[in-house]
Amino acid sequence: DADVTQTPRNRITKTGKRIMLECSQTKGHDRMYWYRQDPGLGLRLIYYSFDVKDINKGEISDGYSVSRQAQAKFSLSLESAIPNQTALYFCATSEVGKETQYFGPGTRLLVL
Amino acid sequence: QKEVEQDPGPLSVPEGAIVSLNCTYSNSAFQYFMWYRQYSRKGPELLMYTYSSGNKEDGRFTAQVDKSSKYISLFIRDSQPSDSATYLCAMNNNNDMRFGAGTRLTVKP
Repeated sequence: DADVTQTPRNRITKTGKRIMLECSQTKGHDRMYWYRQDPGLGLRLIYYSFDVKDINKGEISDGYSVSRQAQAKFSLSLESAIPNQTALYFCATSEVGKETQYFGPGTRLLVL
Repeated sequence: QKEVEQDPGPLSVPEGAIVSLNCTYSNSAFQYFMWYRQYSRKGPELLMYTYSSGNKEDGRFTAQVDKSSKYISLFIRDSQPSDSATYLCAMNNNNDMRFGAGTRLTVKP
């Protein structure tokens, strides 16, 4: 079984809709991250969480919100989706004191 | 100017060739340097991780960091078709992780 899972894997939605992307991990890591990947721009950090009570904005947090429901679960919400939020979204985890991150398989989101 | 610059390619080489992938960066505070490999429709997976300037070797892969020039490289020896993927450089300072845009590599049999 995968250590970091994301649901859904693919999603099509309409402008203005609220959607949630979910991430779960079995690695026991305290730190979790949400990134988006766009062609030519690479991965950009949206939000990160160092533990259940700690949430931090990343490079591009506008239009997004997150919830850390438990050590193993970190959700990303788009309150009112817009077409330029069409992208590939990745969740990642890391251990405290370690710099390397472990990525989930990604969610492909299309906003019409 | 982006903090991390990486030539997006695409790069196509014959099987057995030596591949050189490179990134430059502008923030001298970056201390940790990584290379991730991303297959199509998959998440990035860690390939190499280095902390200091110099070389680090792992099988057919060598990561090189030159902090004075703000330049990192990944060399792949005896490249195989299974190495065909997008390679992302990444660097980190105090939890501020930045990625390059990725170089798409194809190794032809």
